[in-house]
Amino acid sequence: AQTVTQSQPEMSVQEAETVTLSCTYDTSESDYYLFWYKQPPSRQMILVIRQEAYKQQNATENRFSVNFQKAAKSFSLKISDSQLGDAAMYFCAYRSDPNAGGTSYGKLTFGQGTILTVHP
Amino acid sequence: NAGVTQTPKFQVLKTGQSMTLQCAQDMNHEYMSWYRQDPGMGLRLIHYSVGAGITDQGEVPNGYNVSRSTTEDFPLRLLSAAPSQTSVYFCASSQRTVNSPLHFGNGTRLTVT
Repeated sequence: AQTVTQSQPEMSVQEAETVTLSCTYDTSESDYYLFWYKQPPSRQMILVIRQEAYKQQNATENRFSVNFQKAAKSFSLKISDSQLGDAAMYFCAYRSDPNAGGTSYGKLTFGQGTILTVHP
Repeated sequence: NAGVTQTPKFQVLKTGQSMTLQCAQDMNHEYMSWYRQDPGMGLRLIHYSVGAGITDQGEVPNGYNVSRSTTEDFPLRLLSAAPSQTSVYFCASSQRTVNSPLHFGNGTRLTVT
């Protein structure tokens, strides 16, 4: 079974600064997808960014980028120019390929989450 | 476009009571799932479905039942509520491809006393 670990329960950053959230995962699969979700106090789950395991180029979405190290099974999220609205719980998630066989059926496995505080 | 509609938003139950959390999506997604969120434990998969008539257990299925009679609906039943089931519950759906992100409902906060 796949596992996802976020070793930082809480992180803080000053507004306009850069912060990196860590995520590691364990899998024996060759093709999969990785996601970062944001959960603000409203409880809504919002997709931040996604990365395909076969792509070596790191994904970028505006101020959000990832550092994907497939051999190390690491998938960190970098937030540049942090804003007050970035304050939230962030979840790293792993998705198996539902068409690759086996019994995973494309389940999404989440890490424990990291609470990000942004100081003005 | 409603997306994933989850009801109710809040619910208080007494130990031993049963109830059904409703989930409906209008995006014709094959994959639907239920998660519970507890402090320090992230989101844990309860049950999931890859299509109408097909369901399977996730990480924490005990005490919960699901069925998938249509593509749109995936209700979660609590058979006999226990205080350990106090949690926030999320329904989520997606296309059945690896790069498809989950679309989440707004969650149900359930308290069992």
